[in-house]
Amino acid sequence: QSVLTQPPSASGTPGQRVTISCSGSSSNIGYNTVNWYQQLPGTAPKLLIYSNNQRPSGVPDRFSGSKSGTSASLAISGLQSEDEADYYCAAWDDSLNGPVFGGGTKLTVL
Amino acid sequence: EVQLVDSGGGLVQPGRSLRLSCAASGFTFDDYAMHWVRQAPGKGLEWVSGISWNSGNIGYADSVKGRFTISRDNAKNSLYLQMNSLRVEDTAFYFCVKGERGVLMGASYVSWGQGTLVTVSS
Repeated sequence: QSVLTQPPSASGTPGQRVTISCSGSSSNIGYNTVNWYQQLPGTAPKLLIYSNNQRPSGVPDRFSGSKSGTSASLAISGLQSEDEADYYCAAWDDSLNGPVFGGGTKLTVL
Repeated sequence: EVQLVDSGGGLVQPGRSLRLSCAASGFTFDDYAMHWVRQAPGKGLEWVSGISWNSGNIGYADSVKGRFTISRDNAKNSLYLQMNSLRVEDTAFYFCVKGERGVLMGASYVSWGQGTLVTVSS
């Protein structure tokens, strides 16, 4: 059971906009920033969004993040086939004194 | 270019020990905290342990506390994870991860190793 809660799956057709939610508590998302990772099969996770809504260099602006209270969301607009991957949210947890991850959401592009 | 090369994984029997290593290059190693994050096959990500830049602050997940020991050698740009009393549920890919900054806090990780597979089985 992961500390952060994500839906196990999401899907969309090319060109669509999809969102993935991430729910936590005051000890993690409530007081700390949220980060999102994309993981393609057989590879290490890649940082997609940091500090709630910032994109590292090279990440397309089709990816955006937001946070409100103890929840966060990742939005992907103009869905493309190469976006098919697993997505994880993460935040520092002040109670556990370590980072916590969501269980992951498998995105399927139909 | 930042490079993290994980090594030391393999097949080990329950109750035995294994030591993972991570060789870092391309950045000032002793400026950053380092972490180990694992992923059981087909499962999600789980933080295992982290160590601050000067080894002054160390943290462990409850699932490994008392069995695993993280350490670093800044002179050798290397990170280690000593895993004792291994259990079947420790089977996973173990990733070496460069922290956000010198202290442990933060969950924004740009650089990851390729992962090394630890299989605990009789």
